[in-house]
Amino acid sequence: TQLLEQSPQFLSIQEGENLTVYCNSSSVFSSLQWYRQEPGEGPVLLVTVVTGGEVKKLKRLTFQFGDARKDSSLHITAAQPGDTGLYLCAGTAAGGTSYGKLTFGQGTILTVHP
Amino acid sequence: DAGITQSPRHKVTETGTPVTLRCHQTENHRYMYWYRQDPGHGLRLIHYSYGVKDTDKGEVSDGYSVSRSKTEDFLLTLESATSSQTSVYFCAISAGLRSYGYTFGSGTRLTVV
Repeated sequence: TQLLEQSPQFLSIQEGENLTVYCNSSSVFSSLQWYRQEPGEGPVLLVTVVTGGEVKKLKRLTFQFGDARKDSSLHITAAQPGDTGLYLCAGTAAGGTSYGKLTFGQGTILTVHP
Repeated sequence: DAGITQSPRHKVTETGTPVTLRCHQTENHRYMYWYRQDPGHGLRLIHYSYGVKDTDKGEVSDGYSVSRSKTEDFLLTLESATSSQTSVYFCAISAGLRSYGYTFGSGTRLTVV
């Protein structure tokens, strides 16, 4: 089983601050996805990155896939209370018996205070 | 309209009873998955399906079985529920592998007493 470690587990910040969430593994992934989950709902896909070194932007959110495709980061600029939620990274195995199946990190609980 | 629905949304059952959770999709996606979500463990794959009557085990499949007789329906059965199976269960669908994102249902909160 390929493991994804997310950090930090908890993040409590004030509105307007910047933050970065990290997702690391010793395994290579063919793609990596970021999801956001609100209480009582399922995760919702934010972005998929597939190329090493790829950077994608979604409004105030910037996602980066590591050159070696073993890690990723999510950066939020000028956080807002509406960004509050659980952020999950998930990787698709590059091969072997786990090919194509998503492995999830533990998640980062973000709270943005007004 | 939601492309994926789970039923029931909440269920309380007694230890030792069988329980079946249903996932229904209207997207005609080939791949369907069942995950459980627990504090400290994130989302863990129970079983998945890559087509009608084609299913396979995930990392935490013990005590669970699945069936997929139609493209749109994927059933998860707890043969004899135990307290360790108290969890939130999510179904997900995807159109393909690798770069295809998953669409998740809203989850079923199952409590085994």
